[in-house]
Amino acid sequence: AQSVTQLGSHVSVSEGALVLLRCNYSSSVPPYLFWYVQYPNQGLQLLLKYTSAATLVKGINGFEAEFKKSETSFHLTKPSAHMSDAAEYFCAVSAFTGGGNKLTFGTGTQLKVEL
Amino acid sequence: KAGVTQTPRYLIKTRGQQVTLSCSPISGHRSVSWYQQTPGQGLQFLFEYFSETQRNKGNFPGRFSGRQFSNSRSEMNVSTLELGDSALYLCASRLDGNQPQHFGDGTRLSIL
Repeated sequence: AQSVTQLGSHVSVSEGALVLLRCNYSSSVPPYLFWYVQYPNQGLQLLLKYTSAATLVKGINGFEAEFKKSETSFHLTKPSAHMSDAAEYFCAVSAFTGGGNKLTFGTGTQLKVEL
Repeated sequence: KAGVTQTPRYLIKTRGQQVTLSCSPISGHRSVSWYQQTPGQGLQFLFEYFSETQRNKGNFPGRFSGRQFSNSRSEMNVSTLELGDSALYLCASRLDGNQPQHFGDGTRLSIL
């Protein structure tokens, strides 16, 4: 079974500051990890994915995440926050079992960016 | 390339009714999954279809069902609606394997 824990349901940063959103996972098999972003009244947009290649993954809009197996973490970072980054962010894990897979999501982190 | 399209965007129903939601995947994608999003339970997996066959199912009652057509389009049906079924229903499609899922904008279902 897989699970994801996102620490901090709300994170507030100043514009231009570092963004750090935390995600820890649990998986009985090598995981595939994803970060999605959701803007109001919209679906989920894929930010980046980890699929057992490079441990540092670069995504869209300047975001990146580092897979750390020893810490079972996949934290999302962005060096400089922009007002347009304000949204809800979801970490998700999936495991391919040969018969299809499903995404298990964390509870989400609402990012607020202040002037 | 067009994204995942869900119709309708908004729907209002009353308790006891049934509803059908539609999802058109990205062209070429054969896998379609459905998720329910609520403030209390978050994002929960409903089911996945691939080549017209249900391949995975989440922990939802039998009132929730789905199907997939030969063109990969999918429908989700909920019968005997309850107040707790009010949610954003999201559809996602992917090529297969561990390719990422791409989501539509969802159907917001409100039960009165």
